[in-house]
Amino acid sequence: AQSVTQLDSHVSVSEGTPVLLRCNYSSSYSPSLFWYVQHPNKGLQLLLKYTSAATLVKGINGFEAEFKKSETSFHLTKPSAHMSDAAEYFCVVSDLRNQFYFGTGTSLTVIP
Amino acid sequence: EADIYQTPRYLVIGTGKKITLECSQTMGHDKMYWYQQDPGMELHLIHYSYGVNSTEKGDLSSESTVSRIRTEHFPLTLESARPSHTSQYLCASSELDRRNTEAFFGQGTRLTVV
Repeated sequence: AQSVTQLDSHVSVSEGTPVLLRCNYSSSYSPSLFWYVQHPNKGLQLLLKYTSAATLVKGINGFEAEFKKSETSFHLTKPSAHMSDAAEYFCVVSDLRNQFYFGTGTSLTVIP
Repeated sequence: EADIYQTPRYLVIGTGKKITLECSQTMGHDKMYWYQQDPGMELHLIHYSYGVNSTEKGDLSSESTVSRIRTEHFPLTLESARPSHTSQYLCASSELDRRNTEAFFGQGTRLTVV
C-alpha cells in the first residue's frame, strides 16, 4: 500500500531564509513521488516529480526535493523563501494504476 | 499549462437543488478523478474513472454521482444539495498506464449550499 506523511501541518519562515517541508512515504515498490502547490482558491500545480532518474529533483520556482530511499523521505527545499511561496504544499505518491495518495498538506507562511 | 477546466468556479445554491459540476480536459487522458477538499486542506478522492463508461467510488463516501460518456468530460451531480455538501471540488486527469505521470488539476469549484 502507498501512503505519505507530511510531518508539519504549518511551517513559518522569514523571507530570504531556507524552506524545508518534510515528507515520508510508504510504498510496496519503487515509488512515484510528487510535490504540488496550491495557492488560495486555485487548483493544484505540479512543483516537481521523482521518476527514479535522479535522486535530486529540481522543480519550478527554485524548489527541489531529494529522494532518500534509506530514510523513505522526499523533503522539499528552497534556499531562499519569497513572499509568493506562501501557499499549501502537498506531497503525493502514486501507484501502478496512477491512483494518487495525498498527504494532509503543509501550510507555508512567509514573514516579511 | 494544464488543459483541464471546471465550471462554475463558485456556486451558491439553496438546499434541495440539483446541481452538476462540469469538468473537461483536452489532453486525451483516460483517467479522471474528483476530489473533495474541506477547509482543513486534506484532499479526499470521491470518484474516479478509467475511461468511457467506467466510474468508480473513491475512498470517501459521497452522495454525488458521476458519468463518463465522453473521454474528455467527467461531470459530477448532486441530486439534492445539502449544507453538508459545502466544500471545494477538484477535478483531475492523468494518463492511465504510463508510470511516473502526474495528475493535472482544474481550478476547482467552490460550492456553498445555504
